[in-house]
Amino acid sequence: GENVEQHPSTLSVQEGDSAVIKCTYSDSASNYFPWYKQELGKGPQLIIDIRSNVGEKKDQRIAVTLNKTAKHFSLHITETQPEDSAVYFCAANEGTYKYIFGTGTRLKVLA
Amino acid sequence: DVKVTQSSRYLVKRTGEKVFLECVQDMDHENMFWYRQDPGLGLRLIYFSYDVKMKEKGDIPEGYSVSREKKERFSLILESASTNQTSMYLCASSPGQGDEQYFGPGTRLTVT
Repeated sequence: GENVEQHPSTLSVQEGDSAVIKCTYSDSASNYFPWYKQELGKGPQLIIDIRSNVGEKKDQRIAVTLNKTAKHFSLHITETQPEDSAVYFCAANEGTYKYIFGTGTRLKVLA
Repeated sequence: DVKVTQSSRYLVKRTGEKVFLECVQDMDHENMFWYRQDPGLGLRLIYFSYDVKMKEKGDIPEGYSVSREKKERFSLILESASTNQTSMYLCASSPGQGDEQYFGPGTRLTVT
């Protein structure tokens, strides 16, 4: 089955700097890669996603890149702000319904 | 906005008790999911359902069962709670195949 690895587990950046979180996946049949943000006391919320027919997608300060050949995808956050502090999860689909999640990255943006 | 609600935010149960965790979604979504979240392990799928009365095992179904009698409601049942089931439980729903999942706020279950 699918296996998703996520790095780093924790990341501290200064406000205004960029943050990058990387994930690798094992199943070449995976074709959907969402990223979720989980704030304290809340459930995860989708922030951006990418499908395998696209190499990059941007939404304001966040972007996701996908390298199908190398089976890795990354989340990029530019001009980080304190409200970006949260736990971020990557995921990859396995089959029709299931998503396999990474182990999460705790991002701290230092003011 | 899609809303996924879970019956309790915090729950404390004793070993051996039968525990019911309820999840309700208000957007007529076809699919519903139960995950548990543990530090360093991410979200692991327990069970999911793609239709009323249909259920499929996820990656860690042992010790759990589920029920989906109505489209909007998906229940997770711990037949005999054990201390290793102390965890955060997250419910999610999605409209269809390969769609965004919408999560509830979670239930933090402690089994003593």
